[in-house]
Amino acid sequence: QVQLRESGPGLVKPSGTLSLTCAVSGGSITSTNWWSWVRQSPGKGLEWIAEIYHTGSANYNPSLRSRATISLDKSQNQFSLNLSSVTAADTAIYYCAKDRPATAPFYNWFQSWGQGTLVTVSS
Amino acid sequence: DIQMTQSPSSLSASVGDRVTITCRASQSIASYLHWYQQKPGKAPNLLIYAASNLQSGVTSRFSGSGYGTDFTLTISSLQPEDFATYYCQQSYNLPGTFGQGTKVEIK
Repeated sequence: QVQLRESGPGLVKPSGTLSLTCAVSGGSITSTNWWSWVRQSPGKGLEWIAEIYHTGSANYNPSLRSRATISLDKSQNQFSLNLSSVTAADTAIYYCAKDRPATAPFYNWFQSWGQGTLVTVSS
Repeated sequence: DIQMTQSPSSLSASVGDRVTITCRASQSIASYLHWYQQKPGKAPNLLIYAASNLQSGVTSRFSGSGYGTDFTLTISSLQPEDFATYYCQQSYNLPGTFGQGTKVEIK
């Protein structure tokens, strides 16, 4: 059973960049699954941010595309999220998740989740 | 983006009750609808995928149905560990979008 664990600063200043990493254990990030970031805030509920495949192919939520960058590090079996120009509206719990297999006939399908990490944007 | 609307937003029920939660999509999404359970302080947990398929390890008290725009999640006999918030999510296209959640509380 794959396990995921998020890490990163819990506090980011407005206009700064939020940087998070998801360590994957019990499975390889080069498997045939996509890997995603999802966030949850009281105001916007659950919101998918971005996904990446081990080939480096990535997709983004159009609402965040201009500020989000997802990447992966095969040597460390982990993937990361950078979100630039953050505001208070980006305050949320951020989850990483194991997403759909590449052979699935549909998109986002979050089969396993990390425990989540709270990121607060404040000066 | 496809909008997902759940009803009710919350409900009170007793142990042993049959509970039904509905989810409506703003356009047809075929059977590409998933259900998650979330308990306080925890990540969501996949219960049902592709409208009616029980995720491995999930109790058969949970079942799902629907196609197109209207879907339901049913808990056949509510147990104490089922009190939680439930979310539907469409994966017909990107971005995958979630309903606002249904909180199931103890009566």
